Amino acid sequence: DAGVTQSPTHLIKTRGQHVTLRCSPISGHKSVSWYQQVLGQGPQFIFQYYEKEERGRGNFPDRFSARQFPNYSSELNVNALLLGDSALYLCASSWPGGNQPQHFGDGTRLSIL
Amino acid sequence: GDSVTQMEGPVTLSEEAFLTINCTYTATGYPSLFWYVQYPGEGLQLLLKATKADDKGSNKGFEATYRKETTSFHLEKGSVQVSDSAVYFCALAFSGGYNKLIFGAGTRLAVHP
Repeated sequence: DAGVTQSPTHLIKTRGQHVTLRCSPISGHKSVSWYQQVLGQGPQFIFQYYEKEERGRGNFPDRFSARQFPNYSSELNVNALLLGDSALYLCASSWPGGNQPQHFGDGTRLSIL
Repeated sequence: GDSVTQMEGPVTLSEEAFLTINCTYTATGYPSLFWYVQYPGEGLQLLLKATKADDKGSNKGFEATYRKETTSFHLEKGSVQVSDSAVYFCALAFSGGYNKLIFGAGTRLAVHP
């Protein structure tokens, strides 16, 4: 069975640009969560979407937005990129419920020049 | 707020040595606890979980016991292998909430032959 897939794997942008990252969950999983992992740190929660609605949001500015499509895939959008947005962006899918194990993709490495 | 604290790494061991990676948590309720592992260039993989006090999670020779009295979830393995070299993350989540994992900073393990 296919795991969580993310695209692209690597991306280089300059300050002020916009970026869209994509995620396809494991078949049957309706919950998708996004995390930011800065080098040398643990992942930080950005969003959770379930049944196409935002169910949770972490402490990130409004430059970060996301959506979930009818097939449960998801996009993370970041506007007005800053140098500090350079990180590995991880997508995870799961069954709903906080104690359900989350299954992670390999991430998108975003570098801001 | 809710948080997870892990011992700082790197932890460097010889093959077949005993491993302990300490993890303590602060939480307002009764979370589920997880250990995730991240190999170079990859996303996070669930290693084990425990959902209530005194539960023991185990997988691939790794074990961790949910200790409510000491708010701890230390990871142990009796005999490490070179292939165990990775970064290990302790995390918590609440069953009644949305799919938000709160991670520690991670502990890098390096195992030498």
